[in-house]
Amino acid sequence: ILNVEQSPQSLHVQEGDSTNFTCSFPSSNFYALHWYRWETAKSPEALFVMTLNGDEKKKGRISATLNTKEGYSYLYIKGSQPEDSATYLCAFYMNRDDKIIFGKGTRLHILP
Amino acid sequence: DGGITQSPKYLFRKEGQNVTLSCEQNLNHDAMYWYRQDPGQGLRLIYYSQIVNDFQKGDIAEGYSVSREKKESFPLTVTSAQKNPTAFYLCASSISGAYGYTFGSGTRLTVV
Repeated sequence: ILNVEQSPQSLHVQEGDSTNFTCSFPSSNFYALHWYRWETAKSPEALFVMTLNGDEKKKGRISATLNTKEGYSYLYIKGSQPEDSATYLCAFYMNRDDKIIFGKGTRLHILP
Repeated sequence: DGGITQSPKYLFRKEGQNVTLSCEQNLNHDAMYWYRQDPGQGLRLIYYSQIVNDFQKGDIAEGYSVSREKKESFPLTVTSAQKNPTAFYLCASSISGAYGYTFGSGTRLTVV
């Protein structure tokens, strides 16, 4: 059974602080790793699609890194803001079938 | 605006009744997917379709059925054979899963 693990499950961060969380995935049959942000009562929104070992992607205050050899990705948020409160999902796309395995997400709460 | 629409947002049904959840996209995406989310769990794949008139079972297909008669539409029927149908259902579409998904806003189904 292929698993995608995210940690921590939940995180409380003071507004203005920086934070990061982890996604672990199988290192074999890797094709792509996705990060999504899912705000309450909205649709999950794609943040990053990462394919190359050593990839680093950035979108405003949010960035992500990828290590396909050891099977992990980090998501970083710099200077957290209230609008960053959401569940962050990572998803692993294998080099076979056309489907994605999702982690359970990290629920981020930004404290004012 | 291109997007993916799920309806209804909330659905209540009596036990033993079949119910159909709608998913429509105007993104010209070939692939469409149905996921289920339960509390404390990640998104689990029910069915997916990579092309019109073809679909495959996901990890938890028992008690569900789908059709893909048009590129734009991928309805999901929750049958009376599904033992625990109460859940949040998300539909998604993509050019190919490798490039990431566009999600609908979900349908919360409650069976009483």
